[in-house]
Amino acid sequence: NAGVMQNPRHLVRRRGQEARLRCSPMKGHSHVYWYRQLPEEGLKFMVYLQKENIIDESGMPKERFSAEFPKEGPSILRIQQVVRGDSAAYFCASSPFQTEGRLSNQPQHFGDGTRLSIL
Amino acid sequence: TQLLEQSPQFLSIQEGENLTVYCNSSSVFSSLQWYRQEPGEGPVLLVTVVTGGEVKKLKRLTFQFGDARKDSSLHITAAQPGDTGLYLCAGAGKLTFGQGTILTVHP
Repeated sequence: NAGVMQNPRHLVRRRGQEARLRCSPMKGHSHVYWYRQLPEEGLKFMVYLQKENIIDESGMPKERFSAEFPKEGPSILRIQQVVRGDSAAYFCASSPFQTEGRLSNQPQHFGDGTRLSIL
Repeated sequence: TQLLEQSPQFLSIQEGENLTVYCNSSSVFSSLQWYRQEPGEGPVLLVTVVTGGEVKKLKRLTFQFGDARKDSSLHITAAQPGDTGLYLCAGAGKLTFGQGTILTVHP
């Protein structure tokens, strides 16, 4: 399967623990996006990364949340000291490139998400 | 902030009926994308519309982009149970998503 791979598919954490969500983009894609979805709602943009760079993190909470996309390996969305309100499905998408300086029309390909449940 | 409003939010119809889902914004988008999402899966891209007034067809699905590039519609002809799912429109770039339309087609 050459699509966007997310793991784990399901993650259960207790309040106060850390959650790490991983995303491997499609082969040849260098741009990764993270979204959050609550049940029966649309997706909310969190962060956009290129290799080793955060391009736009305007949708990500300032505290407890961080994201990285290292030169080697998957992109990681990290949530520290999780709370019940963090329970959601987190989706990663990738695209081959974005044109600098303007919004791109490049379609994004989504993974099947990680369902995070906080006890 | 660019916002997209989708309507209706819920749609429950019988097999064979036609339906239209709307996606509206006060902002201009360079393109709009339509996705379909099934439970437990990620959104799957159906189509990208780029040019104002553009119409694209995908079998029984017809997508239209408004002349001013602020709105779009998805029309499904002779709906089938397999069309059931969450339909999402999204604006270009970091993808501003509408809240989605949950379509249920009953056999």
